[in-house]
Amino acid sequence: RKEVEQDPGPFNVPEGATVAFNCTYSNSASQSFFWYRQDCRKEPKLLMSVYSSGNEDGRFTAQLNRASQYISLLIRDSKLSDSATYLCVVYFNTNAGKSTFGDGTTLTVKP
Amino acid sequence: DADVTQTPRNRITKTGKRIMLECSQTKGHDRMYWYRQDPGLGLRLIYYSFDVKDINKGEISDGYSVSRQAQAKFSLSLESAIPNQTALYFCATSDSRTGGVRELFFGEGSRLTVL
Repeated sequence: RKEVEQDPGPFNVPEGATVAFNCTYSNSASQSFFWYRQDCRKEPKLLMSVYSSGNEDGRFTAQLNRASQYISLLIRDSKLSDSATYLCVVYFNTNAGKSTFGDGTTLTVKP
Repeated sequence: DADVTQTPRNRITKTGKRIMLECSQTKGHDRMYWYRQDPGLGLRLIYYSFDVKDINKGEISDGYSVSRQAQAKFSLSLESAIPNQTALYFCATSDSRTGGVRELFFGEGSRLTVL
């Protein structure tokens, strides 16, 4: 089983739709959680951190459920420019503190 | 100019050749990483370094070596390239001083093709 698992999609949605991505992680000692966005053939960039209390940034809402070891990203009112791959990232704060990436969920927003 | 710069951006080489990918950063971060990405997959960690004298293997280090020449420079070498090392390689940095936040800052990637 992979340490971080995501539904690969692809998700094809019309403009204005609401779409949700899920991510599960296996290591209960995980400490920090993130969603990165990656455009085709480009480098990943941080979209938002995920906090236990949930957090929102404009049309984007991220939630964390530590008990279920589950992270989600909700995008409301989808725009064409939201088309990208969304990577779930889990950081383990051990001596070998490093980040583990999910394989990504691909979103295509269509007119 | 990019804060994390990778060279070359694209390289085509032949099996058995030695290849070096270079990464330099102007962010002043202490931690540097090399990741590999294959189509449809996430990033997998090859090597990472927390400071100039620190080198650590990631999950897929076989066939690769690294050198941290200075805090700002971290190079990845393929001693004898093979076709299954064809991939997109990313260098990344992070700052250990940022407490609980461990944001990674990536270079633009180096696309390597081994024939």
